[in-house]
Amino acid sequence: GENVEQHPSTLSVQEGDSAVIKCTYSDSASNYFPWYKQELGKGPQLIIDIRSNVGEKKDQRIAVTLNKTAKHFSLHITETQPEDSAVYFCAAKATAGGTSYGKLTFGQGTILTVHP
Amino acid sequence: SQTIHQWPATLVQPVGSPLSLECTVEGTSNPNLYWYRQAAGRGLQLLFYSVGIGQISSEVPQNLSASRPQDRQFILSSKKLLLSDSGFYLCAWSTGTPQETQYFGPGTRLLVL
Repeated sequence: GENVEQHPSTLSVQEGDSAVIKCTYSDSASNYFPWYKQELGKGPQLIIDIRSNVGEKKDQRIAVTLNKTAKHFSLHITETQPEDSAVYFCAAKATAGGTSYGKLTFGQGTILTVHP
Repeated sequence: SQTIHQWPATLVQPVGSPLSLECTVEGTSNPNLYWYRQAAGRGLQLLFYSVGIGQISSEVPQNLSASRPQDRQFILSSKKLLLSDSGFYLCAWSTGTPQETQYFGPGTRLLVL
């Protein structure tokens, strides 16, 4: 099945700095890669996703890049703010075939702390 | 718009007692439904998923079971809770096409004492 590795496990930045979280996956059939933000005591919320037919996607201060050859994807947050502090999860899914077909496999999460 | 509800929000139960957690989705039909468990605020473990009424797939052997009595209702149950069942239980839904995105509910925090 699919295996997703996420790094770093914790990340501390100053307000206004950029934050980068990286994930690697094992199943070459994976073609859908969402990112979730989870605040304390709440359910994960989808913040951005990317499909394998594009290499980069942006939404205001958030961007995701995908390198299918190397099987890794990254989340980039620019101009970080204290409210960006949360746990971030990456995930991978094969939407057609592959050993992980139909199932989202999650990374272990990154605790991001943005200091004012 | 679609919304997903879970209750209760928190639950404290003694070891050996039964469990019933409920999840309902509004604003969509024939959703795929999922139960996840999250321990210690990290890592999401898929427990069950359902593609339709009465259709349940179990991902890991455990002390829990799931049922889907109605199209937009998903229930997680146990006959006798164990200490190891403590955790944060999340329900999620997605549309029934292969490229669906999963959306999570607010979660239920379960503490077994």
